[in-house]
Amino acid sequence: QSVLTQPPSASGTPGQKVTISCSGSSSNIGSNTVNWYQQLPGTAPKLLIYSNNQRPSGVPGRFSGSKSGTSASLAISGPQSEDEADYYCAAWDDSLKGVLFGGGTKVTVL
Amino acid sequence: QVQLVESGGGVVQPGASLRLSCAASGFTFDSYSMHWVRQAPGKGLEWVAIIAYYGSDIHYAESVKGRFAISRDNSKNTLYLQMNSLRPGDTAVYYCARAGGVEVETARGDYWGQGTLVTVSS
Repeated sequence: QSVLTQPPSASGTPGQKVTISCSGSSSNIGSNTVNWYQQLPGTAPKLLIYSNNQRPSGVPGRFSGSKSGTSASLAISGPQSEDEADYYCAAWDDSLKGVLFGGGTKVTVL
Repeated sequence: QVQLVESGGGVVQPGASLRLSCAASGFTFDSYSMHWVRQAPGKGLEWVAIIAYYGSDIHYAESVKGRFAISRDNSKNTLYLQMNSLRPGDTAVYYCARAGGVEVETARGDYWGQGTLVTVSS
């Protein structure tokens, strides 16, 4: 089963903005909403962004999501050390009739 | 508060069967669709299946279609995953996750359990 395409790694300092891209196609990101998950080392994934750009309660405002066409992105404005984690995008695929996950991006805070 | 607790994992030989359970509490279980998602050691997340809140609308990943069966018992607030003809490639931590609502065609999982490890090895 195919995956959504993410860069394997990203990094930044607390004064920068870290952006993670997620590339898909017309049958997934192009026609459905994108969700982002954060997985801290040794823990279960946690919903970070849903419906492209909505933050569940409790998620810090430095996390934001956007979508354009068949791509989406997650931004971390001023990453903190506790944000070091793996980040996954996910979307429903209308052709496969299932959920696709990106391969994951490991974020390092310098 | 919402809690999802998986159980039933273990070590099995190739070709064996195993049934996972996910006990839900803290929310109205029969108002939400539910996912199973797995993660092989050191790898990324792989979606396995979703079942609608009422149980009859179900979708599977191609990799498990015909071998795995998702089901739910709303009277017991429990989600299940029956896994047959297990292969070494099925070795993973299996998570249950609550979808955002009644929608089935969704990648949203707003609460996750802690996972249960399934190891398929001879």
